[in-house]
Amino acid sequence: DGGITQSPKYLFRKEGQNVTLSCEQNLNHDAMYWYRQDPGQGLRLIYYSQIVNDFQKGDIAEGYSVSREKKESFPLTVTSAQKNPTAFYLCATALASLGRSNNEQFFGPGTRLTVL
Amino acid sequence: AQSVTQPDIHITVSEGASLELRCNYSYGATPYLFWYVQSPGQGLQLLLKYFSGDTLVQGIKGFEAEFKRSQSSFNLRKPSVHWSDAAEYFCAVGGSNAGGTSYGKLTFGQGTILTVHP
Repeated sequence: DGGITQSPKYLFRKEGQNVTLSCEQNLNHDAMYWYRQDPGQGLRLIYYSQIVNDFQKGDIAEGYSVSREKKESFPLTVTSAQKNPTAFYLCATALASLGRSNNEQFFGPGTRLTVL
Repeated sequence: AQSVTQPDIHITVSEGASLELRCNYSYGATPYLFWYVQSPGQGLQLLLKYFSGDTLVQGIKGFEAEFKRSQSSFNLRKPSVHWSDAAEYFCAVGGSNAGGTSYGKLTFGQGTILTVHP
């Protein structure tokens, strides 16, 4: 069963704690993306990766970190430096070879992070 | 820089009525255009996409969209709305990155929430 899984679905964190959101895919897609969604603001790009061991900052990378050690996995860490981390986080993938892409992205079900 | 504007934050229609959701984009080259739909607490599902060719594209669930280059628009339409269409709709733009460095990135509009009255 192909797809994108994000875990956990709901996550609660105390202020000052780091937390890691999981994103796994078995679509054999090269590119992976992390978005943050807040009401009325659409989706904002946090980080993206087109190939293993390489990733780039998106528009709102401050307070976040990622790794891409495997093609299938792109975990996102929300650090204590992120001042307002409560949001809905979406992971996406795209079938993109280096240098070319039609930009079509496929989305996971999301993780809702709440800071207590 | 590329951008997307969805002028309507919230639209309410009656079931069975026609629907048009507006999307205007700014992009310096030939755009790839997408409409996604999101139910509350869920991920995004692709409704339809435009890469090239026929400017009227058909999607899933009876939706269609028309690319108008002269107006920089890609409006989404449906002739008869069903209660199950209530959701949030996002327009997105990307572009060919052949030789470029866009890495398949998309820019999303702020979304339009659709409410359907019985």
